[in-house]
Amino acid sequence: QKEVEQNSGPLSVPEGAIASLNCTYSDRGSQSFFWYRQYSGKSPELIMFIYSNGDKEDGRFTAQLNKASQYVSLLIRDSQPSDSATYLCAVGGGADGLTFGKGTHLIIQP
Amino acid sequence: EPEVTQTPSHQVTQMGQEVILRCVPISNHLYFYWYRQILGQKVEFLVSFYNNEISEKSEIFDDQFSVERPDGSNFTLKIRSTKLEDSAMYFCAKRKVRGKYYGYTFGSGTRLTVV
Repeated sequence: QKEVEQNSGPLSVPEGAIASLNCTYSDRGSQSFFWYRQYSGKSPELIMFIYSNGDKEDGRFTAQLNKASQYVSLLIRDSQPSDSATYLCAVGGGADGLTFGKGTHLIIQP
Repeated sequence: EPEVTQTPSHQVTQMGQEVILRCVPISNHLYFYWYRQILGQKVEFLVSFYNNEISEKSEIFDDQFSVERPDGSNFTLKIRSTKLEDSAMYFCAKRKVRGKYYGYTFGSGTRLTVV
């Protein structure tokens, strides 16, 4: 049974600071890792995809992957109130779809 | 403009009734998925559909569920006899390639309420 674990939060971060979100996964054979943002009552929105060890940057977002530790993280720089949402870590893909974590609720305090 | 449109946005049905949820992908893709999210819980994979056939399905996707692509464009999820515990948001998704990367784009969702 594939598992993806996230701290549910809430994680409260002051505006302008760096938000750090973490995720661990159980299936050592996993190849693809995703971060989604979900606003309340809305569908998940893809913000980052990573498959190689190391860092991947896209604007204010940086995803970090450490396959040896089975650990994925997301950093959000210069956090804005509009970043307040639930961030979902997802692993896998292909025919058997994605395995999601429960998500971390992020609150950016103005 | 949304890449994946789902209808209806909200469906209320009585327990035991059949419901059909619809997904209309804007572009032509081969791989589609259905997921559900019970309120306050994680997004769960239901089924993948490739080239007009079921590719994989989860334990949740029992005989009460079926998927079809009846007219080559719409993609439907049918629940034959709804139960209270089927109340959830249902999302369809498609695989999207961006250069050497890919991701999964979710539709806007259908909120199913079984009463």
